[in-house]
This record gives sequence, structure tokens and C-alpha cells, in this order.
Amino acid sequence: EDQVTQSPEALRLQEGESSSLNCSYTVSGLRGLFWYRQDPGKGPEFLFTLYSAGEEKEKERLKATLTKKESFLHITAPKPEDSATYLCAVLEGGSQGNLIFGKGTKLSVKP
Amino acid sequence: DAGVTQSPTHLIKTRGQQVTLRCSPKSGHDTVSWYQQALGQGPQFIFQYYEEEERQRGNFPDRFSGHQFPNYSSELNVNALLLGDSALYLCASSLRGHFLHFGNGTRLTVT
Repeated sequence: EDQVTQSPEALRLQEGESSSLNCSYTVSGLRGLFWYRQDPGKGPEFLFTLYSAGEEKEKERLKATLTKKESFLHITAPKPEDSATYLCAVLEGGSQGNLIFGKGTKLSVKP
Repeated sequence: DAGVTQSPTHLIKTRGQQVTLRCSPKSGHDTVSWYQQALGQGPQFIFQYYEEEERQRGNFPDRFSGHQFPNYSSELNVNALLLGDSALYLCASSLRGHFLHFGNGTRLTVT
């Protein structure tokens, strides 16, 4: 059973069309939830860390939120350069630093 | 400030061969983690090295081994390569924690 599930698998938006990506998790004792952006052929690039339910973080057109069961990455008025795969990962209680990743959401923004 | 660097960027090997991948962590970081990312999947944790010791290991067979040197750089070795080992191998570094900075990976193709 997947511990981190991301939806949708793929999302196509028009430039300026806001939307949200979802990350649900079933780990025990969440120590942190991480959002990364990955461009083709590159390693994941860190975006946000969230530690407790109710926490929110913002960066340019992106805003991440966290509840006890899931996290959302809201994208406001996206631009074509926001096209990438967005990965969600969780750090379990008791872990030494092993991140558990979801499969990612591939976002395409058309001009 | 150099980030995480990995070499080589691409590698083609034949089934049954052995391969060594290399990683230099971000300056100031002392912990190195290795992840395997198959096409269309999220990264999967292989193992983590801290103070030249393997601190945690994911669900990978003993064919996967590693090493960390006194300068914190690291190697990932894979013996008896299988077709299923074809993937992007990512190295991530951190300072005694889970705030991971990723390199751009080594793309391994096994034929």
C-alpha cells in the first residue's frame, strides 16, 4: 500500500488558470512534509517543508498547505515556466532521514 | 557555492556487470543519501551515510553497496546488474538532517 499518493498524475492548464495538486499520506508520526519540483533530466529542487497541520508556506505563484491527512500545492495564475513534475515526500517519525516520495504530478502549462 | 555534484551523468552497462557512481555533497554537508528513480516514479531510498557509516537502508538487495569517505563524498556500487536497475540514481546531501539537496543524478542504462 502506497504511503504517499499524489493526484492527479498529470494536469494540463492554460496560462493563468489556477489549480491545486494533492498529496495524501498514511505514515505515522509525521515529522515533515516536503514539496519538490523536478524538471526533465534534473534532480528534485526543494520548494517547501511543512511540519504541522494548519501550516502554510508561499513562494511566488505557489502556496503549500498541510492538514493531518494531506497537503495541497496551490498554483495561482501559472506560467509556462511552471511546467514540471511536482513531487511530495514525507519524513516519518523514527526515521533517520529517509524521505518517502509519491509518484509526482506532471504539470503542463500552455501559453 | 557548488551544490551536489554527481558523476558520470550517463552510463551504459551490460547485464551482469558492476558499476560505481560518485557523489560530492554540497559544501558544509556531512550526510549523503542515495535514491533510485525509475521512469515515471518517485525517488526510492537506497541508503544513507553519516560519519562514514551506513546509518539507514531501504528495501534494496545486497547488490547495492556504498561508501562514504572522510571528505564526505560517497560512492554507490551495484554488482551483477539487472535490466531492472536501469534508472536515474540521485544523490542528496544534508547537514545532520533531512533537508535534502539533490544532485542532477546519473542516468544508468543496463542492456
